[in-house]
Amino acid sequence: EVQLVESGGGLVQPGGSLRLSCAASKLTFSGYSMNWVRQAPGKGLEWVSFISSSGSTTYYADSVKGRFTVSRDNAKNSLYLQMNSLRAEDTAVYYCARDQGSYSRPEYFDYWGQGTLVTVSS
Amino acid sequence: DIQMTQSPSTLSASVGDRVTITCRASQSISSWLAWYQQKPGKAPKLLIYKGSSLESGVPSRFSGSGSGTDFTLTISSLQPDDFATYYCQQYDSYSPLTFGGGTKVEIK
Repeated sequence: EVQLVESGGGLVQPGGSLRLSCAASKLTFSGYSMNWVRQAPGKGLEWVSFISSSGSTTYYADSVKGRFTVSRDNAKNSLYLQMNSLRAEDTAVYYCARDQGSYSRPEYFDYWGQGTLVTVSS
Repeated sequence: DIQMTQSPSTLSASVGDRVTITCRASQSISSWLAWYQQKPGKAPKLLIYKGSSLESGVPSRFSGSGSGTDFTLTISSLQPDDFATYYCQQYDSYSPLTFGGGTKVEIK
């Protein structure tokens, strides 16, 4: 069974930074594009970022563009999200999700991690 | 951005009921639509992709239909394990990908 395990969440002050990680196992990680999706407490799902299988193509939601950076290390089967200039509205559970699409663009997600909570508060 | 509108936002139903959830896109998305199920404290689970394709391992009581702007998710006979929140998601445009607001299926 494919496993995705996020880590790195926690409490951070507004304006601070945090780096999330997603460790993948039991899948050919380098063969798949990956995404980050978040969910604010009691709210719906919001797509955050996409990275292609090679890491050469990335996309971001406007709400995080210029503040968040997605990257991956295929040798370590790991996905990352560097989050800078954090705001209260970034408070959410952050999920990594495998993209099942065939193109270098985000499509739909067949495997998800359990999520890691990021809380931005003073 | 393509807006995805789900209705109803909450649905009360009994075990055995036929349940239909609607998702409407603000512009045509062909069949580039996925449906997910989410239970409290858990990650979403993919049910349907490309409008009507059933994900492997998902019970056949779940089905999806529609194209263009109007889509439906149908549960033919609601089971106890199906009480959850359901989300649609379009992937016609990735600038950005967008989800519907969710439909919570509650026990009547």
